[in-house]
Amino acid sequence: AQSVTQLDSHVSVSEGTPVLLRCNYSSSYSPSLFWYVQHPNKGLQLLLKYTSAATLVKGINGFEAEFKKSETSFHLTKPSAHMSDAAEYFCVVRLHGGSQGNLIFGKGTKLSVKP
Amino acid sequence: GAGVSQTPSNKVTEKGKYVELRCDPISGHTALYWYRQSLGQGPEFLIYFQGTGAADDSGLPNDRFFAVRPEGSVSTLKIQRTERGDSAVYLCASSLGLADADTQYFGPGTRLTVL
Repeated sequence: AQSVTQLDSHVSVSEGTPVLLRCNYSSSYSPSLFWYVQHPNKGLQLLLKYTSAATLVKGINGFEAEFKKSETSFHLTKPSAHMSDAAEYFCVVRLHGGSQGNLIFGKGTKLSVKP
Repeated sequence: GAGVSQTPSNKVTEKGKYVELRCDPISGHTALYWYRQSLGQGPEFLIYFQGTGAADDSGLPNDRFFAVRPEGSVSTLKIQRTERGDSAVYLCASSLGLADADTQYFGPGTRLTVL
């Protein structure tokens, strides 16, 4: 079975400090991995994606993630948090075998940013 | 329009009633996906279409749920004999084709409340 596990349901940081949102995946196939963000009452927005090219992926708004196959991890980081980063973040995997189209979402990590 | 649109934005219904939720994908996108996001959870896959045909409906929870896309553009998700457990945000996404499933654009969702 393919899945993603987001290790923290809630992360709180102070503005200007680093952000780390953790994600582990399991997949029998070479996966595509994504991070999406969902602001309150807004639609899902793609932050970044890994599709078997460079293992360090840079996304929008200063976020980046590193694919580590040996650790089956795809953690999301940002050097310095901004108040506008407060939102729900989802780690997502897509298979490359069998059912090819659908995305599998983690349960989400709510990021709070304190002034 | 420029993005994926969904109507209505909110729907309140009574248990046992029938509801239809509509999705307008981005013009020219042949692949269309439906997801359901329950409170506090990540979105879960329901069904996706390539053109007019349902390529994978394995995520539909039971036979009360049905979706169509008769002309390969607009899609309607139909729920019969609604139950309180159907309350959720129903999300629609589209991509250029199934080969582009790594790049899905999400609509704002329809919030369904079953009383």
